[in-house]
Amino acid sequence: SQQGEEDPQALSIQEGENATMNCSYKTSINNLQWYRQNSGRGLVHLILIRSNEREKHSGRLRVTLDTSKKSSSLLITASRAADTASYFCATFNSGGSNYKLTFGKGTLLTVNP
Amino acid sequence: EAGVVQSPRYKIIEKKQPVAFWCNPISGHNTLYWYLQNLGQGPELLIRYENEEAVDDSQLPKDRFSAERLKGVDSTLKIQPAELGDSAVYLCASSLETHNEQFFGPGTRLTVL
Repeated sequence: SQQGEEDPQALSIQEGENATMNCSYKTSINNLQWYRQNSGRGLVHLILIRSNEREKHSGRLRVTLDTSKKSSSLLITASRAADTASYFCATFNSGGSNYKLTFGKGTLLTVNP
Repeated sequence: EAGVVQSPRYKIIEKKQPVAFWCNPISGHNTLYWYLQNLGQGPELLIRYENEEAVDDSQLPKDRFSAERLKGVDSTLKIQPAELGDSAVYLCASSLETHNEQFFGPGTRLTVL
């Protein structure tokens, strides 16, 4: 079963624009991670935000986490054609002995040159 | 630093045939994961190893799937016999510890005819 749900399912923007993707989840988490997947480099970890953090930055990436709303957002600023990929949020739960990273279905981002 | 290595990259077999996938994790990573990814979906965990122990295999279809991680390093995932519905990408990942970011290999794309 997949806990995280990304929104939108697909997003198409022009180079230089910002891209925002959202993720909603259902149960409490320890951390939330964002991954990118394209045909060239496979699945790559982008950023991890812990449940006690509200915002985190890495280069052109900005991630927010609202545990009260069980939601997260990923902002990519000044997008480039190379950012074209699928973006997945993944929630890490450690309930009982079940340490598990659960992925959503992803947002397909297309950045047009 | 070498990444997670998987082989083969592609495999085409007929149904009812056996197939095996191999994974070499990043050196020093004690935790190893096997995921299954269907088209348009996020990865789904099949099994997680801590060193040589399979600590979470609850999602592994044990009637036809098996896995092993000898000496706590390399791992093999086997399907016997394969069914049409097993066509997917099989991803291997590793991490230093369970709650950390995961590093993924390029995956094996399996096609069952």
